[in-house]
Amino acid sequence: DVKVTQSSRYLVKRTGEKVFLECVQDMDHENMFWYRQDPGLGLRLIYFSYDVKMKEKGDIPEGYSVSREKKERFSLILESASTNQTSMYLCASSFGGARGTDTQYFGPGTRLTVL
Amino acid sequence: QKEVEQDPGPLSVPEGAIVSLNCTYSNSAFQYFMWYRQYSRKGPELLMYTYSSGNKEDGRFTAQVDKSSKYISLFIRDSQPSDSATYLCAMSRGGSYIPTFGRGTSLIVHP
Repeated sequence: DVKVTQSSRYLVKRTGEKVFLECVQDMDHENMFWYRQDPGLGLRLIYFSYDVKMKEKGDIPEGYSVSREKKERFSLILESASTNQTSMYLCASSFGGARGTDTQYFGPGTRLTVL
Repeated sequence: QKEVEQDPGPLSVPEGAIVSLNCTYSNSAFQYFMWYRQYSRKGPELLMYTYSSGNKEDGRFTAQVDKSSKYISLFIRDSQPSDSATYLCAMSRGGSYIPTFGRGTSLIVHP
């Protein structure tokens, strides 16, 4: 079974704090993704990575950065948290490459509240 | 027009009913079609995956793809209260890394 884990289920931070969200997958997937999910807006892609040290901007990268130093780990960083970044953050991974069926496997999510 | 359209609901049905959840899409290049189930405050979990047109059955769930109409469906037979969740459709062209997701339909199955 594919397993994607996220470092926290719930997180409360203050405006201006630097926030780290970590994601780890155990299936040797090449691709990893960060989404945020808000009521009525669905899933919105923030960043994705198709290889170690590689990253690509998604639809809403502003205010976020990412890091992928190891294949299994993909971190999302909020440099200076703001209240409009209060959301559910979801990490996903997929095989990629020649085996790529694009099927994504999601982590349990981190509910971030910025006060 | 969004690439993938999905009615947000909520869809409320009695236990035991047959449920039909649907998505329409505009990109004829989509070849891979997925359905995810997402319980409240949890991450989406992959439910069904199909390639191209046709039907696929897994227990009480049937996924149907009609590429000529650009329409996909998920049928749930003998629905249970435990099926209450948000169902997201997703589709992709293959060879690309990022599926396009619908916004999800909220399903409520009441006893």
